[in-house]
Amino acid sequence: AQKVTQAQTEISVVEKEDVTLDCVYETRDTTYYLFWYKQPPSGELVFLIRRNSFDEQNEISGRYSWNFQKSTSSFNFTITASQVVDSAVYFCAPLSRYDMRFGAGTRLTVKP
Amino acid sequence: GAGVSQTPSNKVTEKGKYVELRCDPISGHTALYWYRQSLGQGPEFLIYFQGTGAADDSGLPNDRFFAVRPEGSVSTLKIQRTERGDSAVYLCASSLRGQSSYNEQFFGPGTRLTVL
Repeated sequence: AQKVTQAQTEISVVEKEDVTLDCVYETRDTTYYLFWYKQPPSGELVFLIRRNSFDEQNEISGRYSWNFQKSTSSFNFTITASQVVDSAVYFCAPLSRYDMRFGAGTRLTVKP
Repeated sequence: GAGVSQTPSNKVTEKGKYVELRCDPISGHTALYWYRQSLGQGPEFLIYFQGTGAADDSGLPNDRFFAVRPEGSVSTLKIQRTERGDSAVYLCASSLRGQSSYNEQFFGPGTRLTVL
């Protein structure tokens, strides 16, 4: 089974600060996908980004960027210039054919 | 277009009763998933359907839990002899294809089940 560790339970930042959310995973699968989801106070999970295990190229999409390092099994997510609307719980989720597991989540609070 | 819908949004029942939770996926999505989310935790996988069949039901906690998807669209999660520990938010998600493909899952708003 896969294991996901999101060591940061809660993070609080002031608007416009950059914030990085950490994710470390364990998997026996050689092929898998990595996702980040956001769960705002309304409760509905929202897809943010995905990466497959073959592609370690780090990318930027708007204010979001991610750093995937297969050697250390880490998939960190960064929000640049945070906004109050970014306040939510963020989940890291490695998914593969035979198992799917979400981390416990990191609660991000962005203060004005 | 319409997203994933779940009914009811809230369900309160008494210990020992039977409940059914319904999920209506996005039209055309062949893969459907059920998760359970307890307070302060991430979603916990229960079962995955590809079309009408349950491709992976390894997350169902015990035989009181059962899910069907008879026509490959709407799915129903059924819980028999409910226990207080079953109280949680039950989430449904759908995707274009199955787990092994590169498709994100779209989640519904969930059904909050409370067992008294």
